[in-house]
Amino acid sequence: DQQVKQNSPSLSVQEGRISILNCDYTNSMFDYFLWYKKYPAEGPTFLISISSIKDKNEDGRFTVFLNKSAKHLSLHIVPSQPGDSAVYFCAASSNAGGTSYGKLTFGQGTILTVHP
Amino acid sequence: NAGVTQTPKFRVLKTGQSMTLLCAQDMNHEYMYWYRQDPGMGLRLIHYSVGEGTTAKGEVPDGYNVSRLKKQNFLLGLESAAPSQTSVYFCASSYSLFGPNGQPQHFGDGTRLSIL
Repeated sequence: DQQVKQNSPSLSVQEGRISILNCDYTNSMFDYFLWYKKYPAEGPTFLISISSIKDKNEDGRFTVFLNKSAKHLSLHIVPSQPGDSAVYFCAASSNAGGTSYGKLTFGQGTILTVHP
Repeated sequence: NAGVTQTPKFRVLKTGQSMTLLCAQDMNHEYMYWYRQDPGMGLRLIHYSVGEGTTAKGEVPDGYNVSRLKKQNFLLGLESAAPSQTSVYFCASSYSLFGPNGQPQHFGDGTRLSIL
């Protein structure tokens, strides 16, 4: 049972345009969401996160939106740059009971290609 | 400052052989995690540790053992390797994800393991 899903395996965008990556979750106990970026032959690197008490968080060109009622989050990259080409993973965690210890449940990933 | 270091980076094993993957972190993190990444599956948690001398099972623990004898090291063992364990293995570490000083997990660059 995939609790975190990224239904688009890949996304292709022109440089300078907006990239929108989507993620859906099924576990209503998730209360913290993260996006990681991964280049080939490297480990995932943290990009941006959002707590369930917020519906938007911005960091430079990156904005994450959370729609709790729809159990959906999205990552917007504006403007997109060729260096943004990578695999993007969304991940979720739950602090319920204080015993999650930060364990993350990951989506399958979306390959973003930004064309010059 | 190396962050999270994984050794080896690549390894080929025959079915039935054993080996140990080493993860070392120099950030004084309490929590450490082992994930595996398979095509189309995202990252799945194998085992994790919330402190020196403690370990716990994650989502896919079967066929693996772990040890955390020192705070900075987290070892993942395969006692009798099987082809189904062919994967890329990632180690991560963090302080608590939650709370005012919450931090995301930092990942190593992975170990690519092939079982023939």
